[in-house]
Amino acid sequence: GESVGLHLPTLSVQEGDNSIINCAYSNSASDYFIWYKQESGKGPQFIIDIRSNMDKRQGQRVTVLLNKTVKHLSLQIAATQPGDSAVYFCLDSGYALNFGKGTSLLVTP
Amino acid sequence: AAGVIQSPRHLIKEKRETATLKCYPIPRHDTVYWYQQGPGQDPQFLISFYEKMQSDKGSIPDRFSAQQFSDYHSELNMSSLELGDSALYFCASTTRVAGRPYEQYFGPGTRLTVT
Repeated sequence: GESVGLHLPTLSVQEGDNSIINCAYSNSASDYFIWYKQESGKGPQFIIDIRSNMDKRQGQRVTVLLNKTVKHLSLQIAATQPGDSAVYFCLDSGYALNFGKGTSLLVTP
Repeated sequence: AAGVIQSPRHLIKEKRETATLKCYPIPRHDTVYWYQQGPGQDPQFLISFYEKMQSDKGSIPDRFSAQQFSDYHSELNMSSLELGDSALYFCASTTRVAGRPYEQYFGPGTRLTVT
């Protein structure tokens, strides 16, 4: 995939608040996006994906929003918990192999 | 549900030695990826295989080689180990739909320490 970038390297939120992690992409032809979560010392874990024919997709406590006009997607985590502390990566397409710089989410009590 | 299996989980080698890491993908997954992740770094893509053929090549050193076998498991062979090879090595697998890959499922990783 083309360049995909996360907007902030570190995000700190209080437990119970909602978290929003943003991601921009450059390839207007991208039609599939994946979010991964990586906890310290563990392999990345698939969270949720979205295809370009959708604007929104919801999972358990997570929602991904896709804005194709500005080539931007976001991952929203509701009622953030300490177990959500991790690095989050977005990739554009299953062909994307470079994770790039993730966003480190830190949940404080 | 079955997950990706990697062995060994930990490996300690000396400089200039060789190492072999193994990966067993999720059953019926036909694509395997290898990543290297140094301390505080993002996962760096090394190489991938689809239906036992190399499909993509990333920043894999010439000292490393890999292959995928008929049972779809994969092995990463590392020779002339250097201190800088110390890292977590992840294997991931996926299955393709109409030839297109989707989300990857990662194994727990092998922590290689070169002394």
